[in-house]
Amino acid sequence: EDKVVQSPLSLVVHEGDTVTLNCSYEVTNFRSLLWYKQEKKAPTFLFMLTSSGIEKKSGRLSSILDKKELFSILNITATQTGDSAVYLCAVEKYGGSQGNLIFGKGTKLSVKP
Amino acid sequence: KAGVTQTPRYLIKTRGQQVTLSCSPISGHRSVSWYQQTPGQGLQFLFEYFSETQRNKGNFPGRFSGRQFSNSRSEMNVSTLELGDSALYLCASSLARLSTDTQYFGPGTRLTVL
Repeated sequence: EDKVVQSPLSLVVHEGDTVTLNCSYEVTNFRSLLWYKQEKKAPTFLFMLTSSGIEKKSGRLSSILDKKELFSILNITATQTGDSAVYLCAVEKYGGSQGNLIFGKGTKLSVKP
Repeated sequence: KAGVTQTPRYLIKTRGQQVTLSCSPISGHRSVSWYQQTPGQGLQFLFEYFSETQRNKGNFPGRFSGRQFSNSRSEMNVSTLELGDSALYLCASSLARLSTDTQYFGPGTRLTVL
């Protein structure tokens, strides 16, 4: 069965710290891996990764995919209280009864001032 | 451009009742997907609609159904509600199928089943 596992499940850091969130997957017919930030209700899109070893970057956030080892990491540098959220990893696959997107359970990040 | 809207935002029902949730996609978006989010299972795919046709369905019982109208608005229906159906129901719209990097989520409908 396809699965996406995120770790840690929760994390508490202080402003200015750097954090690394992990996402491993076992999915057939892999198409892409996506990261979302969910603050209150609606997840917002962060990155889409399709190729191994190519870092995607947006401000203090960056992410990379390893298709050989089947994992991705999301890095946040110089964290701010506004980074507090649940970060979701999802794998997109071609077809499948689970639909196109299979989500991990998320990592809850709390950034303390 | 207005975002994805979902109504109602909150709903309380009792076991055995049925419920209909509505999702209005971003103007011009033709694909609408529905997800259920619970603390135990996380976000799980329910179904996807494109051009008024269900294109994909997740592993949910037949009590969960949906439809899409010609203006791309979508509704999902849950019949014979169970306590375990309490969840945040999210819909997401995109311009076309398989456009996950341009998929926008709505704020969700929080359903509580008593």
